[in-house]
Amino acid sequence: GQQVQQSPTSLVLQEGENAELQCNFSTSLNSMQWFYQRPGGSLVSVFYNPSGTKQSGRLTSTTVIKERRSSLHISSSQITDSGTYLCAMERGQGGRALIFGTGTTVSVSP
Amino acid sequence: EAAVTQSPRNKVAVTGGKVTLSCNQTNNHNNMYWYRQDTGHGLRLIHYSYGAGSTEKGDIPDGYKASRPSQENFSLILELATPSQTSVYFCASGDGTGGGSDYTFGSGTRLLVI
Repeated sequence: GQQVQQSPTSLVLQEGENAELQCNFSTSLNSMQWFYQRPGGSLVSVFYNPSGTKQSGRLTSTTVIKERRSSLHISSSQITDSGTYLCAMERGQGGRALIFGTGTTVSVSP
Repeated sequence: EAAVTQSPRNKVAVTGGKVTLSCNQTNNHNNMYWYRQDTGHGLRLIHYSYGAGSTEKGDIPDGYKASRPSQENFSLILELATPSQTSVYFCASGDGTGGGSDYTFGSGTRLLVI
C-alpha cells in the first residue's frame, strides 16, 4: 500500500487564509522533504526537514519522527501559492530515490 | 546554471510502438531517476542509475527499460507502448549523499499512447 499519505487531497483558499497540509508515513521516517509543483511544471524543493520545525517566509514545516508525520503550514496565502505540494522521504537503499506522497493541490483565489 | 533537461516535452505514440524519452543533466550528479506521475498516485519510481553503465529497477519497472550511456544522459525506453503508459514522466538527478541530497527535476514529458 501507499507508504506516504497526504491530506487533504485538495484545498481551496481565499487569499490571506492559512492552511495546514499533512503527511503521514507508514514506515520509519527518513530525510523528509517538501516539494512544490506548479501546474504542469517541474518540482522544486521547498523544505528539507528531517525533524523539528523549520520556517521559510510564510511557510513552516514541522516533522515529528516518532509519530511518522510532517506538516506544512502556509500562512497568509497568496495567489502565487497555488499549485501542488508533495511530501517525500528518502529510501534507505535504492539510490536514495524519493518516495512521494500523492500530493495536495492548493488553489488560492482573490 | 545546472539543470535537468527532458525531451520531448510532449509525445503521442501508437500502441505497440517504441518510445524513447531522453534526459540530460549538467549537475554532474551520480544518481539519476525516472518517475511517472499519475493522479492519485503521486510520483512513482520506474528506474534509477548510480552512474554511467548502471541501471536499476525501481518500484514499477515492468514495460520499461533504461539506459545510462554517460554521466549526463539517462533514457527511458518503452519497447511496446501501451495506453496504460500514458502519463507524465519526470527525470531527476541527485548527488546520492542522502540527508537532503540535492535533487533536481526536469520539466516533465507528457506521453499519450493511443
